[in-house]
Amino acid sequence: DSGVTQTPKHLITATGQRVTLRCSPRSGDLSVYWYQQSLDQGLQFLIQYYNGEERAKGNILERFSAQQFPDLHSELNLSSLELGDSALYFCASSLRVQETQYFGPGTRLLVL
Amino acid sequence: AQKVTQAQTEISVVEKEDVTLDCVYETRDTTYYLFWYKQPPSGELVFLIRRNSFDEQNEISGRYSWNFQKSTSSFNFTITASQVVDSAVYFCALSEAFRDMRFGAGTRLTVKP
Repeated sequence: DSGVTQTPKHLITATGQRVTLRCSPRSGDLSVYWYQQSLDQGLQFLIQYYNGEERAKGNILERFSAQQFPDLHSELNLSSLELGDSALYFCASSLRVQETQYFGPGTRLLVL
Repeated sequence: AQKVTQAQTEISVVEKEDVTLDCVYETRDTTYYLFWYKQPPSGELVFLIRRNSFDEQNEISGRYSWNFQKSTSSFNFTITASQVVDSAVYFCALSEAFRDMRFGAGTRLTVKP
């Protein structure tokens, strides 16, 4: 158990819908990262937050957004969902920016 | 730009065999970090090791060992006396600034009893 929690574990929704994935980092970690893992794209970095502020952006679509709250938990919002958004979404956290990232168990999203 | 290549898509071995997973990386930075993560069938990503670019010492942890060679831009991972529980997808990753970690495509290891 990495100490990073993600909810929900599974999510099934329809095209066009909007969902919110939640992540709680390890106790004391200030940095949160979001990744998408799909069969065709592999593991892709989406976005990083550090102590509430966005630090880096990767291959995140405009339909996706995220934020980190004062209590350091983070949410990833996915809107106007498409079939191709079906994937495993991971959250990771680290103490500071230049530390090892520990991953949560992931949220498996299925868009029908 | 940073890039990680894991040329072995799938490897199958019989229990107790030794197996080496290859990882080749590209980076222009002199300071960078290399990682290995394990993804068992249950799906979570488990951190195995981090190595910074200034530390080329090989590392051994139980049955696991890592060989970092800057001259060939490789960071290979060896499992000695493999066990069925080692069956997983293994990812090598590179981070130039700890902001955007780039993963390789992964190597699926199957250890048969």
